[in-house]
Amino acid sequence: EAGVAQSPRYKIIEKRQSVAFWCNPISGHATLYWYQQILGQGPKLLIQFQNNGVVDDSQLPKDRFSAERLKGVDSTLKIQPAKLEDSAVYLCASSLVFRRSDGSSYEQYFGPGTRLTVT
Amino acid sequence: GQQVMQIPQYQHVQEGEDFTTYCNSSTTLSNIQWYKQRPGGHPVFLIQLVKSGEVKKQKRLTFQFGEAKKNSSLHITATQTTDVGTYFCAVNAGNNRKLIWGLGTSLAVNP
Repeated sequence: EAGVAQSPRYKIIEKRQSVAFWCNPISGHATLYWYQQILGQGPKLLIQFQNNGVVDDSQLPKDRFSAERLKGVDSTLKIQPAKLEDSAVYLCASSLVFRRSDGSSYEQYFGPGTRLTVT
Repeated sequence: GQQVMQIPQYQHVQEGEDFTTYCNSSTTLSNIQWYKQRPGGHPVFLIQLVKSGEVKKQKRLTFQFGEAKKNSSLHITATQTTDVGTYFCAVNAGNNRKLIWGLGTSLAVNP
């Protein structure tokens, strides 16, 4: 089974520039997550999709970040314009759905991440 | 909002010593997941706990869910250098449809 694919793996941009990240989840996984992980911290959920609908984007800085999952499969995350504090690893993850019928949650499978450096 | 605290933040042990990390929530949880992230890697799912007082084992790793479903622990017996990494708990509560992640416990093992 192929894992979660992400590209690019690394990106260096100057502040105020734009950048886009791409994610291809595991086939058949309806739920897709974008996380931001700053060095030394835990993953912070930016946005969660169920198929092509947004489940949660409460921590997405919507003035500069946008994400879409138009056909319910691949997803892109964009930052425009970037700030220095956006330097982080951006992780994409997927799961079959979020919750099982017994109340437990499905495990999330993570891609390798994109390391973004904003100078 | 819901918060989850992990302690300790860092732990340095000699190979062969035991290690425990704790995850504490301010609210009653539906379930808790544990992940491991190796240096330079991405989080990898280890296990999920759902039932009050649940205990699960994976070789040298023992996971416990508190009776009140507000805390959990991960214990590693006789650590090895392959155990190096950051261990995260991620929790879900009520009808919330997302996981809340702890800040992680970073484990270093001296050979």
